[in-house]
Amino acid sequence: GQQLNQSPQSMFIQEGEDVSMNCTSSSIFNTWLWYKQDPGEGPVLLIALYKAGELTSNGRLTAQFGITRKDSFLNISASIPSDVGIYFCAGPLNNQGGKLIFGQGTELSVKP
Amino acid sequence: DSGVTQTPKHLITATGQRVTLRCSPRSGDLSVYWYQQSLDQGLQFLIQYYNGEERAKGNILERFSAQQFPDLHSELNLSSLELGDSALYFCASSVGGGVLTDTQYFGPGTRLTVL
Repeated sequence: GQQLNQSPQSMFIQEGEDVSMNCTSSSIFNTWLWYKQDPGEGPVLLIALYKAGELTSNGRLTAQFGITRKDSFLNISASIPSDVGIYFCAGPLNNQGGKLIFGQGTELSVKP
Repeated sequence: DSGVTQTPKHLITATGQRVTLRCSPRSGDLSVYWYQQSLDQGLQFLIQYYNGEERAKGNILERFSAQQFPDLHSELNLSSLELGDSALYFCASSVGGGVLTDTQYFGPGTRLTVL
C-alpha cells in the first residue's frame, strides 16, 4: 500500500543552523503537506503543495514538491528553539481528498 | 488554538470497557476526521464525516464507531478496549467534504490509556 518515508528520523542541531528533511514515496502524490506537532498538541499545517516542481515558503520554512511527484523536501533556515517538535509530511490516501496518510515524522531538537 | 475542541484530554480505563471521545469542529466546518496516533503505527486516518454522513473510512476497527450529529459535533466510540488501543486520538475538521485543497485543522487530542 501507500507509504511515506521520512528522513532523517531525528535531528539535533545548534540554534541558527539550517535544517533539511525529506519525504519519499513509491507512488505518486498529487498533494504534499507538511505539518508540525508540538508536544501535547495536534499537528498544525505549515505548507501545502499542489503542483509538481512547486516551491513554497512560509517565513523561514521552504518546501518543494518533487518533479517526479514521489518526493518532497522541507527546509528550515536559521533555526530557533521554538522550531523544536516533530515534522510530518502527509498526502491524500489514494490521491483522494480527505483521507491523509502521514510519514513517520522527523523529530527536531534545537540547542540554544 | 485551531478552533477544534476535544474532550476529555485524558482518559484512563480498563480492558473490555467502552469509552466515548467527543469533538467539536471549527465554526463553519462541515467535515470531521478522526485519527489515531500510536508509537508503532504513527498517525493513521480512521474515518471522516461530512455534514452528518460518513464520507470516507480508513483502517478503523469494527469495535470502533463514530457519528456526527446535526450540530456537527462528532463522537468516536471505542468498545471492548484492548491494551493496544492506548493512543492519542485526534479529531480534525475542514470546511468542505475533503477536496485536495481543503485544510484540515487538528484538535489537541485525547490521550487514551487502557490498563
